[in-house]
Amino acid sequence: EVQLVESGGGPVKPGGSLRLSCAASGFTFRTYTMNWVRQAPGKGLEWVASISSEGRYISYADSLKGRFTISRDNAKNSLSLQMNSLRAEDTAVYYCARVAVEMAINREVDYWGQGTLVTVSA
Amino acid sequence: DIQVTQSPSALSASVGDRVTITCRASQSISNWLAWYQQKPGKAPKLLIYKASSLESGVPSRFSGSGSGTEFALTISSLQPDDFGTYYCQQYDRFPLTFGQGTRLEIK
Repeated sequence: EVQLVESGGGPVKPGGSLRLSCAASGFTFRTYTMNWVRQAPGKGLEWVASISSEGRYISYADSLKGRFTISRDNAKNSLSLQMNSLRAEDTAVYYCARVAVEMAINREVDYWGQGTLVTVSA
Repeated sequence: DIQVTQSPSALSASVGDRVTITCRASQSISNWLAWYQQKPGKAPKLLIYKASSLESGVPSRFSGSGSGTEFALTISSLQPDDFGTYYCQQYDRFPLTFGQGTRLEIK
């Protein structure tokens, strides 16, 4: 069974940093592109970043302006999102999400984690 | 960036109704479009991929159509469990973009 379990969310002050993690199991992690998608309270879905299976291709939402870094450790079946210079507008549930097709870069998402809430507030 | 515009933003329908949600892309995305359903407090669930392919396990009352810039999600006979918010997403190119969502309420 495919499982994606996020951790690392919580409260943080504006300007602070936080590192989210996603533990993957039930599939061959190293052959799938992974995404982070976020959802602000009461708002829609927003794609944050993608990293290809071997980490060679990375893409970010323009709005992040270099503040976030996506990475992965295929030996540990783990995905991460380092978030720096956090702002109130980064407050959201952050989902770890798997692309549906092995070795593909941009495809639909077929599995999502349960999400982890990041709250940026003074 | 490719903008994706959904309509309507909300709708209310009765059990048994046929419901259609549309999604328009700002430029051609071929058939690289997915539809998701999200219920309150839960992660989204994939319904349709490549514009018209039904995800395994999804009831056949859900169908997708369209290509290029105009797409639609149709529920042929609305069921009580179909409430929630529906999103389209284009994955033709980065940045990946979602529609703003359609909130579906069962009367």
